[in-house]
Amino acid sequence: DAEITQSPRHKITETGRQVTLACHQTWNHNNMFWYRQDLGHGLRLIHYSYGVQDTNKGEVSDGYSVSRSNTEDLPLTLESAASSQTSVYFCASSESTPDTQYFGPGTRLTVL
Amino acid sequence: AQTVTQSQPEMSVQEAETVTLSCTYDTSESDYYLFWYKQPPSRQMILVIRQEAYKQQNATENRFSVNFQKAAKSFSLKISDSQLGDAAMYFCAYRSRNNNDMRFGAGTRLTVKP
Repeated sequence: DAEITQSPRHKITETGRQVTLACHQTWNHNNMFWYRQDLGHGLRLIHYSYGVQDTNKGEVSDGYSVSRSNTEDLPLTLESAASSQTSVYFCASSESTPDTQYFGPGTRLTVL
Repeated sequence: AQTVTQSQPEMSVQEAETVTLSCTYDTSESDYYLFWYKQPPSRQMILVIRQEAYKQQNATENRFSVNFQKAAKSFSLKISDSQLGDAAMYFCAYRSRNNNDMRFGAGTRLTVKP
């Protein structure tokens, strides 16, 4: 079955380190998204992509970057991790703009 | 920017009873989508139901139905015959028709009592 996966599921890192979270989908969806989830805020959009070589900033993009070199993957990079980036990160994908987004299982990131 | 408000941080319901979760949103757009997602302890975000704003008929999915009041900007979720497996966080979400910027509410934690 087609699916969307994230790795690692849990990550502990130190302030100032570079961290990359992986997202891989096998639906061949054009659109991919990264969200963070914090208590009291629901999910907030970090970055999204409409296709290969396309990336766009979301509501809370500062301190994060993404790149889209193929259809299946959208890695999220924290260039210099900060304690404020401790959160649960969700990747999602959809076939086209009007379509429903389907979410991965999430990555819990702790920055000490 | 669009905002989504879930005014009930926690709700509880007796097994087999009915519960309604509230959601209101703020937008100046006329064409958009509304969603309810369920997040069980596993953290997986699961789509429960979706409503297109141009459709007047309320969406239903088995035991789940919505009451969409466009003029009031209200989008409540009704769960009938509640089951223990319905216990989860429920998130209401809004998305404009022409872009992918989805806005979520803060969530409602639903407890189901046996």
